[in-house]
Amino acid sequence: KAGVTQTPRYLIKTRGQQVTLSCSPISGHRSVSWYQQTPGQGLQFLFEYFSETQRNKGNFPGRFSGRQFSNSRSEMNVSTLELGDSALYLCASTPTPGRDYGYTFGSGTRLTVV
Amino acid sequence: GESVGLHLPTLSVQEGDNSIINCAYSNSASDYFIWYKQESGKGPQFIIDIRSNMDKRQGQRVTVLLNKTVKHLSLQIAATQPGDSAVYFCAENISQSGAGSYQLTFGKGTKLSVIP
Repeated sequence: KAGVTQTPRYLIKTRGQQVTLSCSPISGHRSVSWYQQTPGQGLQFLFEYFSETQRNKGNFPGRFSGRQFSNSRSEMNVSTLELGDSALYLCASTPTPGRDYGYTFGSGTRLTVV
Repeated sequence: GESVGLHLPTLSVQEGDNSIINCAYSNSASDYFIWYKQESGKGPQFIIDIRSNMDKRQGQRVTVLLNKTVKHLSLQIAATQPGDSAVYFCAENISQSGAGSYQLTFGKGTKLSVIP
């Protein structure tokens, strides 16, 4: 059974540009969450999608957005990149939101903003 | 502020010894907790979870203890091996919006180093 797949693995962008990251959840998982990981702030929740709807959003500016497609694949977009956006972006999937299941994480996309 | 935190940022143990990693949480309404292991260059890997109606749960070489009175979690790793070297995070899965949506709130993490 394939795990959570994130592409690309590494990305270098320039300040002011925008970027789109992709996440394919485990087959059958309908909920996808995104997290940002930095040395200073640790793992922070960005947003969660279920059935193509954003169900929850963390404390991030509007430059961070996402969407989910009918096949449960998800993308997140960051516009007008800032140096502080450099981080490991992690995607996690679970069958449905709730307390009954753990979350499976992908290996992440390492974004570097220069 | 952060709801979940760790007491020790680093832990070094001798191979074969037992390891104990601690975690405090502040949200008394939290009822589901997960421990993750993150190796360099990889995403967090699920280790074990526990619900608030339990005090203890055991897996393969790992045990999680939950003390709701003092809002404390611990992860015990028996016979620690070099492959256990990683950063360990505790997380609580709580509903934020009350609309059936959940999110993980993570602690800062503890780096476990196993000395051969």
